[in-house]
Amino acid sequence: KAGVTQTPRYLIKTRGQQVTLSCSPISGHRSVSWYQQTPGQGLQFLFEYFSETQRNKGNFPGRFSGRQFSNSRSEMNVSTLELGDSALYLCASSTLSGGGDEQFFGPGTRLTVL
Amino acid sequence: AQSVTQLDSHVSVSEGTPVLLRCNYSSSYSPSLFWYVQHPNKGLQLLLKYTSAATLVKGINGFEAEFKKSETSFHLTKPSAHMSDAAEYFCVVSERWGAQKLVFGQGTRLTINP
Repeated sequence: KAGVTQTPRYLIKTRGQQVTLSCSPISGHRSVSWYQQTPGQGLQFLFEYFSETQRNKGNFPGRFSGRQFSNSRSEMNVSTLELGDSALYLCASSTLSGGGDEQFFGPGTRLTVL
Repeated sequence: AQSVTQLDSHVSVSEGTPVLLRCNYSSSYSPSLFWYVQHPNKGLQLLLKYTSAATLVKGINGFEAEFKKSETSFHLTKPSAHMSDAAEYFCVVSERWGAQKLVFGQGTRLTINP
């Protein structure tokens, strides 16, 4: 069974631009979560989607948004990029709808904002 | 609110000697607890998880962790370190019920000396 895939793997953008990252979960997984990893703040939860609905959101500004499609694929969008948005963005999927379930992580998208 | 404290940012051991990575958690509800490992330029891989069954949890690659509610700890151990164990380790807490939201510790970098 294929793992979680994320595209693109690397991105370079300039301040003020917007970016869209994509995540394809493991087949059959309906929950998709997004995390931001930076050296200073560590790993932080962005949001989680289940059956096309955002169920939970972390403490990030409204410039960070996401959506999930009927096939469970998910995208996250960051508008008006800032230098501090440079990070590794990780997507994770899981099978069940409840908390405490194992999450399977993709390799991440490394975003560099210049 | 949940939180996780990894007591050591860096641990260095010799190959063949025991490994101990310390983690304390705070949770208002019955938590699920995880240890994830991240090798350089790789995604996160689940080592083991605790979800209220046995308090001593065995994981992959010889790792295990013990859930101690009275001490709010979930330390990770391995009897004999291998060079391939060198990586970043994250202790993670999640609510047992409700939406998926992992709260990560700051990570412990494990170095193995030959």
